[in-house]
Amino acid sequence: DAMVIQNPRYQVTQFGKPVTLSCSQTLNHNVMYWYQQKSSQAPKLLFHYYDKDFNNEADTPDNFQSRRPNTSFCFLDIRSPGLGDAAMYLCATSSRTSGSPYEQYFGPGTRLTVT
Amino acid sequence: AQSVTQLGSHVSVSEGALVLLRCNYSSSVPPYLFWYVQYPNQGLQLLLKYTSAATLVKGINGFEAEFKKSETSFHLTKPSAHMSDAAEYFCAVIYGGATNKLIFGTGTLLAVQP
Repeated sequence: DAMVIQNPRYQVTQFGKPVTLSCSQTLNHNVMYWYQQKSSQAPKLLFHYYDKDFNNEADTPDNFQSRRPNTSFCFLDIRSPGLGDAAMYLCATSSRTSGSPYEQYFGPGTRLTVT
Repeated sequence: AQSVTQLGSHVSVSEGALVLLRCNYSSSVPPYLFWYVQYPNQGLQLLLKYTSAATLVKGINGFEAEFKKSETSFHLTKPSAHMSDAAEYFCAVIYGGATNKLIFGTGTLLAVQP
């Protein structure tokens, strides 16, 4: 089945130690999103890629970066994680050119713990 | 600012009872509307969506929602709750534009009592 995959599902990092979360998709969608979801809150959009075009949300801290080397993969880099960055990180995809252009498909998420 | 409101952060029902989760949107222009479900430590799964076709939308797991323009509402219902329905439910809207940005409600945690 076509899907959105996130690795690892659980990640523990130390305060200030850079960490990278990965997302891959077999849907061939041209848009990929990264969300941060803290406990008992709604997901918060950090940024998204439309093909190679990077779109940052205005309130996303500089500590968060992203890379999309090809259509299938997208990475979230946290340069210096703080305790406040502990959260679930969700990757999602959508297509602007086929299927339902407004529907986002979510991966299972990566739970990040900062010690 | 465009927004979506979910009334009731916690809803508790008995198994077999009607489930009603409320969602209201803020725009006079009908948006695209979605209901997502999230189980603990999982991603979001799409339950159903409204994209300007039929106003009564049927989704997975026996859920449905009715788009009511006059009330700017898109409430989620299920006739008979099952224990496996216990989860967090998010209403979300897209108001259009180039980004197709999803705007989420604050979520409703549904508990199902035996």
